Amino acid sequence: QQQVKQSPQSLIVQKGGISIINCAYENTAFDYFPWYQQFPGKGPALLIAIRPDVSEKKEGRFTISFNKSAKQFSLHIMDSQPGDSATYFCAAILSGGSYIPTFGRGTSLIVHP
Amino acid sequence: NAGVTQTPKFRILKIGQSMTLQCTQDMNHNYMYWYRQDPGMGLKLIYYSVGAGITDKGEVPNGYNVSRSTTEDFPLRLELAAPSQTSVYFCASRNPGYYEQYFGPGTRLTVT
Repeated sequence: QQQVKQSPQSLIVQKGGISIINCAYENTAFDYFPWYQQFPGKGPALLIAIRPDVSEKKEGRFTISFNKSAKQFSLHIMDSQPGDSATYFCAAILSGGSYIPTFGRGTSLIVHP
Repeated sequence: NAGVTQTPKFRILKIGQSMTLQCTQDMNHNYMYWYRQDPGMGLKLIYYSVGAGITDKGEVPNGYNVSRSTTEDFPLRLELAAPSQTSVYFCASRNPGYYEQYFGPGTRLTVT
């Protein structure tokens, strides 16, 4: 059972465009939603995260939008740059347990110059 | 701080061989995790540990074993390698009370 569904699987954007990656979750008990960024040959690294008591969080060009009623959240990358080309994973965490993330399957983003 | 280090970076095994993937962290994190990453499948948890001497199974533990004798080290053992274990393996660690996991650079394993 896939508890966090991520789409699209791959995304190609022109430099300066907006990249949007979507995730949907099923368990309403999840209370922390991070996004990880992974460059080729490297391990994932935390990019930005949000708690369900806010609808949006922005850090530089990266924004998470959160819709609690729809059980969906998305990552928006404004003014996308070739250096943003990477794989992005959304995740959902239940803090009452052992803080183990349930990861989406990942989105491969390519930003063309 | 080196963070989370993993060795080796690459390894090719023959079917039936055994090996240990090494993971070490220098951040004094109690929690450590082993994941495997397959194309288009995200990260699957193999085993995790909440401290020295304590380990527990994750989502895909079959074919693997772990031990945690120190806070720093969390090796992953493959006893009888199978082609289905061809994957990229990541070790991660976390500080109690914090959500962020810190990942190592990964080990790419091929079983032929």
